[in-house]
Amino acid sequence: EVHLVESGGGLVQPGGSLRLSCGASGFTFDRFWMTWVRQAPGKGLEWVANIREDGSEKYYVDSVKGRFTISRDNAKNSVCLQMDSLRVDDTAVYYCARCLFSGGPGVDYWGQGTLVTVSS
Amino acid sequence: SYELTQPPSVSVSPGQTARITCSGDALPKQYAYWYQQKPGQAPVLVMYKDSERPSGTPERFSGASSGTTVTLTISGVQAEDEADYYCQTADSSGTYYVFGTGTKVTVL
Repeated sequence: EVHLVESGGGLVQPGGSLRLSCGASGFTFDRFWMTWVRQAPGKGLEWVANIREDGSEKYYVDSVKGRFTISRDNAKNSVCLQMDSLRVDDTAVYYCARCLFSGGPGVDYWGQGTLVTVSS
Repeated sequence: SYELTQPPSVSVSPGQTARITCSGDALPKQYAYWYQQKPGQAPVLVMYKDSERPSGTPERFSGASSGTTVTLTISGVQAEDEADYYCQTADSSGTYYVFGTGTKVTVL
């Protein structure tokens, strides 16, 4: 059974940094693109970033480019999201998810999410 | 930035049919995906590649595409179908992904 478990969320001040991690199990991790999706309180879903199976391609939504970095460690079956220069509007539940198809949208498994709150 | 537009809400009586539309310029070139999200839960994929149902999605869910609009149809709506529904696709380059604005389905 596929499991994705996020960790690393919490309260951080504007301008601060946070690193989210996602541990994966139940599937061959290095055969799938992975993605992060966020949802601000009471708002809709927003795609944040995704990463190719071998980490050679990474894509980001414009609002986080230059501030967030997605990475993966296939030996540890994990994907991370390093978030720097955090802003109040980055406050959201961040979901780690497995992409259904290589290089395409569509997510078939989601974690339960980790809450990031950016506030002074 | 690229946008996908959905109606904010759809209300339907049990047993009736709910149709949720999603409009965007890239939809003639890119597949659409649909998710159901219930309060406090992670989203669940209910349709992929416009009209393909994942295993576990009830047969009352169907999808269709026509030009710049895709539609998720729930036939014979049940109380358990009350949720938020989001469409998703890629932009015309296929590189950047976007979710629709979301539709709250209320079962009366």
